[in-house]
Amino acid sequence: EIVMTQSPATLSVSPGERATLSCRASQIFSSSYLAWYQQKPGQAPRLLIYDASSRATGIPDRFGGSGSGTDFTLTISRLEPEDFAVYYCQQYNDWPLTFGGGTKVEIK
Amino acid sequence: QVQLQESGPGLVKPSETLSLTCTVFGYTISSGHYWGWIRQPPGQGLEWIGSLHHSGATAYNPSLTSRVTVSVDTSKNHFSLKLNSVTAADTAVYYCARLYYSAGRCYYFDYWGQGTLVTVSS
Repeated sequence: EIVMTQSPATLSVSPGERATLSCRASQIFSSSYLAWYQQKPGQAPRLLIYDASSRATGIPDRFGGSGSGTDFTLTISRLEPEDFAVYYCQQYNDWPLTFGGGTKVEIK
Repeated sequence: QVQLQESGPGLVKPSETLSLTCTVFGYTISSGHYWGWIRQPPGQGLEWIGSLHHSGATAYNPSLTSRVTVSVDTSKNHFSLKLNSVTAADTAVYYCARLYYSAGRCYYFDYWGQGTLVTVSS
């Protein structure tokens, strides 16, 4: 099983600032088979990024993904009030599909 | 617009079977893609449970495979989850979702239901 490790667990950022979230896989990926999701309290996760760097439909361009191999990054260039949430990465390089433990982005 | 809706009991007794159904709107299950279940214990992260294709192909999380069955009813455009011998550790919000599938490979979950809380308690 590929273990996905996200860091930090909590990130305190001021609105308008940049947030950088990390996701590390326990095995090297054969391709960029990684997705990022945003989850707000009481809501289902929402797909943000797939294939490590492609934005899903309707996702603002302040969200960007990068990385390959075992290390991946989600960057939110200028935090808007609605961006404060928990973010999860998910690998689809191999079965079983696995998620990271999440990073909570909170208001500083 | 693809929408998914979970339904089923919100309370299940220990040792019994948890049964949920996910009805899909705006897309015909037999048109393609995989369909799956993910759960989230209160205050915790996401865990993939299992997925299936309308052809009958299935994939399960090894940690749950001995207790889980997922099935599809294309005539009703819905798919189902059964988890037997439940304990308090199975208390979670259960989500159904579409698992994007292309060229023989499964990818990411692009459409999600709103989730349903299932509590295991006597």
